[in-house]
Formats: sequence, structure tokens, C-alpha cells
Amino acid sequence: GAGVSQSPSNKVTEKGKDVELRCDPISGHTALYWYRQSLGQGLEFLIYFQGNSAPDKSGLPSDRFSAERTGGSVSTLTIQRTQQEDSAVYLCASSLRLAGGDEQYFGPGTRLTVT
Amino acid sequence: RKEVEQDPGPFNVPEGATVAFNCTYSNSASQSFFWYRQDCRKEPKLLMSVYSSGNEDGRFTAQLNRASQYISLLIRDSKLSDSATYLCVVDGGATNKLIFGTGTLLAVQP
Repeated sequence: GAGVSQSPSNKVTEKGKDVELRCDPISGHTALYWYRQSLGQGLEFLIYFQGNSAPDKSGLPSDRFSAERTGGSVSTLTIQRTQQEDSAVYLCASSLRLAGGDEQYFGPGTRLTVT
Repeated sequence: RKEVEQDPGPFNVPEGATVAFNCTYSNSASQSFFWYRQDCRKEPKLLMSVYSSGNEDGRFTAQLNRASQYISLLIRDSKLSDSATYLCVVDGGATNKLIFGTGTLLAVQP
């Protein structure tokens, strides 16, 4: 079946511009996560959504970052006034339910470059 | 102290070698443990879960020591295709998040 998809696959933007990154989770998965990975670094948790519960935003690095999940499915991560340090691969993952024991399935990521 | 710590490597081993990776975690409340594999410029994918009694999947064996908060992954008869970064992953206890280590790079040489 279809896996997690993300768009765009690559995004180059100028410093100060806003960007939107999209994630389509696996159908039926109730939990959705956003991470970012800088070159040669580990995964940094950003935010997760579980059903209709309030999202856990504890990993968002600044108020320039926000995310929404509409209808319990598609999610959009928005970065306002991008900075060069925002350059990274942004990975989305989904799992069947929100539980530590559930496998997370990752999308291919969006490679963001801020010039 | 990092929540999940791994030796970054790289581990350069010849084909057929046995290699072991170790990982320590800081949250004693963690209940779920995994090894993920990440190929260069690709997304992470689950390699195997780690169970308290230890578990094996073909050439791969995972062990958990809760008392020492230590996880290991053993790869026997290494293949060229095993070359990747291996991520130790632990749940965040009450936080319901997964915490990823920075990974150990394995390069299997012909």
C-alpha cells in the first residue's frame, strides 16, 4: 500500500521567506510526527499529533515554526521568516496509534535549503 | 547527558565480519526499544524491535539490559548491503515520543 508521502522533495528558499511542507500519512494512522535532521546529525523531534488531541509542540525550536493537521490526515509544517539554520531535511512519520511501542513509518523527507 | 547515546563510528569491517553496536539510554521509564536503519540520504526504517528477553532476526540479534539501561545490536556475517547508519531508538517514557540516537555508521568493505 501507499506509504508516507511528503512534498516537495526539495525546496530552496531565500532567507526571510515563508515555506510550507506537506505530509500525507499512511491511511488509518492516527499518530503523525515531524522531525528534522541536519547534515550528519540525529533526528530532532519537532511536533506530534494524535487524533483530535492537542498536539505536543514541545520540540518546535521557535515560534516561527507551526504545524497543522487537517481532518486527522494531512499535515502541514510552516516555517515563517526562514533562517539559514533552518536548512535541514524535514521528515514526517506516522504510526497506527500514539504509543511508544508502535513502529513509525517515515516519508522520504523534504530537503530544505535556505540561501 | 544525552537521552540516547551511541558511538558514532564509523565502523569499517570486512565482509563476513561480526560487528556489535551499543547504546545507552537515560530514562529508566522507557519501555520500548528499537533499532532503525538509515541509508545515506534516505529515511529511517525499522530494523527490529528489542525485547527484554533478547531477540534474533536472521543475522541480527538485539539485546536489552534494563538494569544497565543498555541496548545492543549484533550483526553476523556482514554483507556489503548492511552498510548504513544504525539508529538506537527509545520511547520517551510518559511522553509518548520516540527518542533517536545520532546513529552509528557501518561501512562493510569488500
